[in-house]
Amino acid sequence: QQQVKQSPQSLIVQKGGISIINCAYENTAFDYFPWYQQFPGKGPALLIAIRPDVSEKKEGRFTISFNKSAKQFSLHIMDSQPGDSATYFCAASRANAGKSTFGDGTTLTVKP
Amino acid sequence: EPEVTQTPSHQVTQMGQEVILRCVPISNHLYFYWYRQILGQKVEFLVSFYNNEISEKSEIFDDQFSVERPDGSNFTLKIRSTKLEDSAMYFCASRNTGGGEQFFGPGTRLTVL
Repeated sequence: QQQVKQSPQSLIVQKGGISIINCAYENTAFDYFPWYQQFPGKGPALLIAIRPDVSEKKEGRFTISFNKSAKQFSLHIMDSQPGDSATYFCAASRANAGKSTFGDGTTLTVKP
Repeated sequence: EPEVTQTPSHQVTQMGQEVILRCVPISNHLYFYWYRQILGQKVEFLVSFYNNEISEKSEIFDDQFSVERPDGSNFTLKIRSTKLEDSAMYFCASRNTGGGEQFFGPGTRLTVL
């Protein structure tokens, strides 16, 4: 019930391409869905987040698509750049509990 | 811009020794968390803390672990008798209101020999 499943485990994209990472959750009580970007040796940094009252949120090159009925959400990185190479984690939480349940992570490599 | 800070950045200890990891959350935040990340694995929740008490803990957070907010600024994680499998990155996080963004610190790398 508390799991968040993330795929793919790793992703290689050419510069300028679109990177797509998918997550699925089980617990319908989750109501906050952030994506974190993590560089080696650093802590996770919030990239973008969505709540289930909207189906899409866009910030610059980053877009979250959210499908409440399927309990799935995805991160799209448009015009991927070598500087986007990092590990990306999806997560889910309940507003009144606050702790985040993380996916397994996706290592993104953007080739120049 | 306010940020969560953690000290030390790297702690090396012998198995069986006690360690204290320190965190200074963002000053007006009310909810505090510890997570850990074993090398190459996902981030795992350990414990949440609100209003000077533990609000939730995971099965990882056994009797060897404790947390404390000894003053108005620090938030500590103590491991009483470290095991080899405690070797990981430990992240502190804090947030302001009842829902929304958690701000993570840079982490403490704990190595147990």
